Amino acid sequence: AQSVTQLDSQVPVFEEAPVELRCNYSSSVSVYLFWYVQYPNQGLQLLLKYLSGSTLVESINGFEAEFNKSQTSFHLRKPSVHISDTAEYFCAVTRMDSSYKLIFGSGTRLLVRP
Amino acid sequence: DTEVTQTPKHLVMGMTNKKSLKCEQHMGHRAMYWYKQKAKKPPELMFVYSYEKLSINESVPSRFSPECPNSSLLNLHLHALQPEDSALYLCASSQEGTRASYEQYFGPGTRLTVT
Repeated sequence: AQSVTQLDSQVPVFEEAPVELRCNYSSSVSVYLFWYVQYPNQGLQLLLKYLSGSTLVESINGFEAEFNKSQTSFHLRKPSVHISDTAEYFCAVTRMDSSYKLIFGSGTRLLVRP
Repeated sequence: DTEVTQTPKHLVMGMTNKKSLKCEQHMGHRAMYWYKQKAKKPPELMFVYSYEKLSINESVPSRFSPECPNSSLLNLHLHALQPEDSALYLCASSQEGTRASYEQYFGPGTRLTVT
């Protein structure tokens, strides 16, 4: 079975500061990894994904995540956050041999303060 | 069009009512999903349809009845719900048969309140 751990339930940061949201996973089989973002009263949006290739993946709005197989981690980083980045961030995995079941972490609320 | 739409946005229903949630996508995706999300929790998978056939039912109570009339539409029929069923119901879709099938696209959700 797979599991995802997001140790930080809430991360408060000041605007323009860097941020890291941590994600660790556990799986006996190979997995694909995702970060989803959920703004208040909205659905989930795919932020970025790791399927294969370069272990550093980037999104169009400045976020990046690095897949570390030895540490089974997929931490999300941004060098300078904006107020508009305030949202809930979910890390998720799915087995490579079965695409349907997304296993989500418990989520991290990023709270950006002016 | 990379959008999944859901109607209604909000729904309040009594425990004896029958209502339906609707989801639509026009991305040519052949897999569609229903999730339930309680406040401050991650989404929980309820059902998966693949090529209009139910492929996964995560032991959901029978008061929730999914239906996939065609490749673009997904319904969730609700009957005799309980107050604890109040939640945000999310629909998602994904491609089939390629690596891209691992990417699920979510709709905005229906906020359901059972009184």
